[in-house]
Amino acid sequence: DTGVSQDPRHKITKRGQNVTFRCDPISEHNRLYWYRQTLGQGPEFLTYFQNEAQLEKSRLLSDRFSAERPKGSFSTLEIQRTEQGDSAMYLCASSLVSSAVESSYNEQFFGPGTRLTVL
Amino acid sequence: AQKITQTQPGMFVQEKEAVTLDCTYDTSDPSYGLFWYKQPSSGEMIFLIYQGSYDQQNATEGRYSLNFQKARKSANLVISASQLGDSAMYFCAMREGYRGSTLGRLYFGRGTQLTVWP
Repeated sequence: DTGVSQDPRHKITKRGQNVTFRCDPISEHNRLYWYRQTLGQGPEFLTYFQNEAQLEKSRLLSDRFSAERPKGSFSTLEIQRTEQGDSAMYLCASSLVSSAVESSYNEQFFGPGTRLTVL
Repeated sequence: AQKITQTQPGMFVQEKEAVTLDCTYDTSDPSYGLFWYKQPSSGEMIFLIYQGSYDQQNATEGRYSLNFQKARKSANLVISASQLGDSAMYFCAMREGYRGSTLGRLYFGRGTQLTVWP
């Protein structure tokens, strides 16, 4: 399977605990995105990376959230001191953006998501 | 202001009939891209169709077509010959920026739950 993978698929934790999610993008993709989706809503942008550089962060990404993509391949999203409001589906997506191709297309391919439940 | 508005929380259509899912968008950027994604109950977002702001013709992909009305800022998805497997949540999304821009985040609407009945 050469699609975007995420681990774990489900995570249940107690309030105040730290959690870490992993995303493995499609291998040749240089962009990696994190989104959060709460029940009844569309995905909301959190942050994205071009290679290992974090280029944009949403205001939703409070100081309890940190994301890394150390070698420009897989990425981790850590939430410290989880709160019940953090319960959501966390989606990862990747795309290939090339300066040689000027287009706003650059489809984002999504992974299956990690569903977080904070008790 | 919402970047993407989907006013239909739920839609019902009989198998083999066509259905239109509404989407309006708001941007001051002359360059943007519009996307439709399908999200089955399994949760994965599946790309369906794309329309660029400079594209002259409406996009089509198999049974999916995008009715792009730029002056009205609408990008409705038309699904022809609905199938039972089309039952899912459908999201409209937009990315702002084009040549030389950062081409970053997607803005999503709240989605429309489509139910196809036999």
